[in-house]
Amino acid sequence: KQEVTQIPAALSVPEGENLVLNCSFTDSAIYNLQWFRQDPGKGLTSLLLIQSSQREQTSGRLNASLDKSSGRSTLYIAASQPGDSATYLCAVGIQGAQKLVFGQGTRLTINP
Amino acid sequence: GAGVSQSPSNKVTEKGKDVELRCDPISGHTALYWYRQSLGQGLEFLIYFQGNSAPDKSGLPSDRFSAERTGGSVSTLTIQRTQQEDSAVYLCASSLRSWGLTFYEQYFGPGTRLTVT
Repeated sequence: KQEVTQIPAALSVPEGENLVLNCSFTDSAIYNLQWFRQDPGKGLTSLLLIQSSQREQTSGRLNASLDKSSGRSTLYIAASQPGDSATYLCAVGIQGAQKLVFGQGTRLTINP
Repeated sequence: GAGVSQSPSNKVTEKGKDVELRCDPISGHTALYWYRQSLGQGLEFLIYFQGNSAPDKSGLPSDRFSAERTGGSVSTLTIQRTQQEDSAVYLCASSLRSWGLTFYEQYFGPGTRLTVT
């Protein structure tokens, strides 16, 4: 059974810092990995999607990497801003089933 | 264009009542998913529809839960005889059809917050 873990559960940093969020998964047989952000009381916004054949994806100040063999992904946020404050969720699309398995999320707070 | 929409946004119901939650996927998306987000359980898969194929119901927690998708578009999730443990945010997502090893990005709606009193 695929399990996804995100560390840390919560993170608070001052504005302007670069930071890394971690995601690990137990079964390397994945189709892809998707990073989302969730604002309080809102749905999920997709940030980056990495297919299993890719190693990284970039969008603006965000960069996500994928190492299938070690079962890890990182989300790098450059020059953090207060508007980046949200919960960040990592999810893997598992082979043989059309569904995403989610981690518990990292609650990020950027302090002005 | 329009994203995934869900209704109602909030629903409060008494224990034992039935509820229906609605999802309108993005136009042209043939795959539709329901997930549930509850405190302590995180986000968990419930059911998946793809075109006219039989749905994957492997995530439904009990036979009180059912879902249908009419005309390959709108979907309704029904919970019968609601219990307090059903209280959660129910999220719907849609995507293009996945082919072979290509698994398309899922787009989520804002969710329905269900509270069972």
